[in-house]
Amino acid sequence: AQTVTQSQPEMSVQEAETVTLSCTYDTSENNYYLFWYKQPPSRQMILVIRQEAYKQQNATENRFSVNFQKAAKSFSLKISDSQLGDTAMYFCAFMTTGAQKLVFGQGTRLTINP
Amino acid sequence: DSGVTQTPKHLITATGQRVTLRCSPRSGDLSVYWYQQSLDQGLQFLIQYYNGEERAKGNILERFSAQQFPDLHSELNLSSLELGDSALYFCASSVVSRGQAGELFFGEGSRLTVL
Repeated sequence: AQTVTQSQPEMSVQEAETVTLSCTYDTSENNYYLFWYKQPPSRQMILVIRQEAYKQQNATENRFSVNFQKAAKSFSLKISDSQLGDTAMYFCAFMTTGAQKLVFGQGTRLTINP
Repeated sequence: DSGVTQTPKHLITATGQRVTLRCSPRSGDLSVYWYQQSLDQGLQFLIQYYNGEERAKGNILERFSAQQFPDLHSELNLSSLELGDSALYFCASSVVSRGQAGELFFGEGSRLTVL
């Protein structure tokens, strides 16, 4: 069974700083997808970024980028120039092409301080 | 706005009761997923439907059932409710089923409180 582990329950940084959230996963599959979802206080789950395992290039979306290390089964999220609106729970998630279900980590509560 | 609509947003009920949560997926999305988010269990996958048929099952209790109707909306039925069923229940939809992973679009969730 696939598992996703986020080892940092909480993190806190100052506005404009860069922060990196960690995620590791365990799978025997070769083809899969990895995601970071954000859950602000409004509760809505919002996709931040996704990475296909067959792509070697790390995904980037504006201030958000990932460091995908397939051999190490690591998928960290870097937020540059952090903003107050980035305050949220961040979930790392995994999906195989066959299973079609997202497996989530336990989440990291990120607080951006003014 | 994700385009996924869930009702009700909040629900308070008593142990032993039965409730129905409703989800309308994004226009054109054939897959519907149900997730349970509780404080101690995190986000748990319950079940997936694709175009009216059950496609994947996760940690869904026997007291829970779901279905997807011809108009593609879905309902999650929770019966013989226990205190531990109190949670946020999310519905998500996507356009694809097998062979490729599509982005899941989540609704705002239904907060169930069992007293």
